Amino acid sequence: GAGVSQTPSNKVTEKGKYVELRCDPISGHTALYWYRQSLGQGPEFLIYFQGTGAADDSGLPNDRFFAVRPEGSVSTLKIQRTERGDSAVYLCASNPGQGNTGELFFGEGSRLTVL
Amino acid sequence: DAKTTQPNSMESNEEEPVHLPCNHSTISGTDYIHWYRQLPSQGPEYVIHGLTSNVNNRMASLAIAEDRKSSTLILHRATLRDAAVYYCILREDNFNKFYFGSGTKLNVKP
Repeated sequence: GAGVSQTPSNKVTEKGKYVELRCDPISGHTALYWYRQSLGQGPEFLIYFQGTGAADDSGLPNDRFFAVRPEGSVSTLKIQRTERGDSAVYLCASNPGQGNTGELFFGEGSRLTVL
Repeated sequence: DAKTTQPNSMESNEEEPVHLPCNHSTISGTDYIHWYRQLPSQGPEYVIHGLTSNVNNRMASLAIAEDRKSSTLILHRATLRDAAVYYCILREDNFNKFYFGSGTKLNVKP
């Protein structure tokens, strides 16, 4: 497809388990963002990649959260030792990069439920 | 980081215009004003953005106050499909961060 793709769409796990969420951005988009959205709240910024490097990871809540983008395309958000408070929809967005209008293209999100 | 303030909810009748306000009194000179909307169970989608001048596109119009401390998103004829949460966001000129607030939930009545 032509849009941002996120997998899995739904993930149910148990407290303490490890989880990986994947994001396939729009082809050619160099910027990639991860957000977390809790019920009734706006999306909360987690991390931003420009190419392969994390340009800003100031939104990651703690060291249990980590994200990679090794080839500058697909990104994986990794959550270790999951807690019930990690339950949320994790949104990924991409953007063409420098010198553009700044429009973000979002995927439909991965809903994580930690039991 | 400059923040935005929006009403929690608004209601409109179908086929009538809707004016969604946003206050951003601490905006800096290089911050762009962006609007996104989020339909139920979907990711946010871009609506419109501007810097100083009013902007129009096929989805909406954006009216920016002369002092840039507030803006208004205008939907000219609301439809049921416009029922969504609308977010007003300030984007720094280096566009690496988009901070979403809680947004305005728009309800459109038939």
